[in-house]
Amino acid sequence: GAVVSQHPSRVICKSGTSVKIECRSLDFQATTMFWYRQFPKQSLMLMATSNEGSKATYEQGVEKDKFLINHASLTLSTLTVTSAHPEDSSFYICSASTTSGRANEQFFGPGTRLTVL
Amino acid sequence: AQSVTQLGSHVSVSEGALVLLRCNYSSSVPPYLFWYVQYPNQGLQLLLKYTTGATLVKGINGFEAEFKKSETSFHLTKPSAHMSDAAEYFCAVSDRRLGSARQLTFGSGTQLTVLP
Repeated sequence: GAVVSQHPSRVICKSGTSVKIECRSLDFQATTMFWYRQFPKQSLMLMATSNEGSKATYEQGVEKDKFLINHASLTLSTLTVTSAHPEDSSFYICSASTTSGRANEQFFGPGTRLTVL
Repeated sequence: AQSVTQLGSHVSVSEGALVLLRCNYSSSVPPYLFWYVQYPNQGLQLLLKYTTGATLVKGINGFEAEFKKSETSFHLTKPSAHMSDAAEYFCAVSDRRLGSARQLTFGSGTQLTVLP
């Protein structure tokens, strides 16, 4: 149980285009979802926290107009990288948590590798 | 504010040798503690966690960790390394206080290499 999927697993796009990444909790209701960014050989950096039906809370230094997060249901959150540039190339990982059961744990998706040309 | 320090960004051990990955935390209240493993181009997999109760926690793949409050440590160990253990390991903490229990703060990671 507690499976989180991400789609796509890998995406290559041209500079200036927008890319949407989906994060789904497959077998539980995710009241909170988190989006992380990971540069090569580095740790995960929290970008934003989103609660279902609410606006996302962004970490300091993360542009909310560039990284649009939508958490429209208890099983789906999306991250849209708008007007992507090569410096946005990174590994994006989502995680989800629930208020019931293993409430102190985050379940991670497999990640999405974004390459902007 | 919480922080996590992982001593040693790279650790190499021989196959069959003891694995010891170090993690120290800083928090005004003892946090929840986690160890995750990440294989190349994959997400994070939970190895083990400490929330309450017994301070020696056993996880998957033969790993265990001990919470030592006096030392503010949560070191990860495995008695005998296997080639398949080669990966990146992250220690993480979250605030156990109500309303903020789920946000994770990660350490910088330790790359484990297992030598044949």
